[in-house]
Amino acid sequence: DGGITQSPKYLFRKEGQNVTLSCEQNLNHDAMYWYRQDPGQGLRLIYYSQIVNDFQKGDIAEGYSVSREKKESFPLTVTSAQKNPTAFYLCASSVTAGGPSETQYFGPGTRLLVL
Amino acid sequence: DQQVKQNSPSLSVQEGRISILNCDYTNSMFDYFLWYKKYPAEGPTFLISISSIKDKNEDGRFTVFLNKSAKHLSLHIVPSQPGDSAVYFCAASARTSGSRLTFGEGTQLTVNP
Repeated sequence: DGGITQSPKYLFRKEGQNVTLSCEQNLNHDAMYWYRQDPGQGLRLIYYSQIVNDFQKGDIAEGYSVSREKKESFPLTVTSAQKNPTAFYLCASSVTAGGPSETQYFGPGTRLLVL
Repeated sequence: DQQVKQNSPSLSVQEGRISILNCDYTNSMFDYFLWYKKYPAEGPTFLISISSIKDKNEDGRFTVFLNKSAKHLSLHIVPSQPGDSAVYFCAASARTSGSRLTFGEGTQLTVNP
């Protein structure tokens, strides 16, 4: 069945380590997004991609990197430069990035914890 | 700068009664508004939306009202059901920003049987 998968469900990072969160979609959507959710806060946009081989910074891109080599995949790397990485990370996709009426479909999320 | 605010972190109502969730925004460029519902350990799911050219949109038990002059929107759920218990996020978008959404902090709704 179609949807968005994120793995792993839980991820532990050691100090100074880079970690990569996976996001895959089989909805044939052009646009993909990464959000971060902290307790008591809304979702904040980290990066988004409107099409393959293209991506733009969101509101809190510092300390993160992404790639979009395939339409169905949009991995997020949390680098050692991200000083407060503990959060719930959500990936989403939409048919296009053409406008606000494009419904975004979310994956189940990955919880990242720092050891 | 929190451009979309949900001032009530939580709301508790009795089954069968009306639930009213509120959301305020500050950016006058926002012209499209959405509500998402989120269960624990799951991603948010789209619930209902409204364009700034309207002041009301209804879908079954869910109705969203928009007051542009007050920069305020609300989600009404009637009648409320225990399965509606979840976190509700308000989100807003501007035509000039494509599909980028700005989310509020969320309101935890609990519907008691």
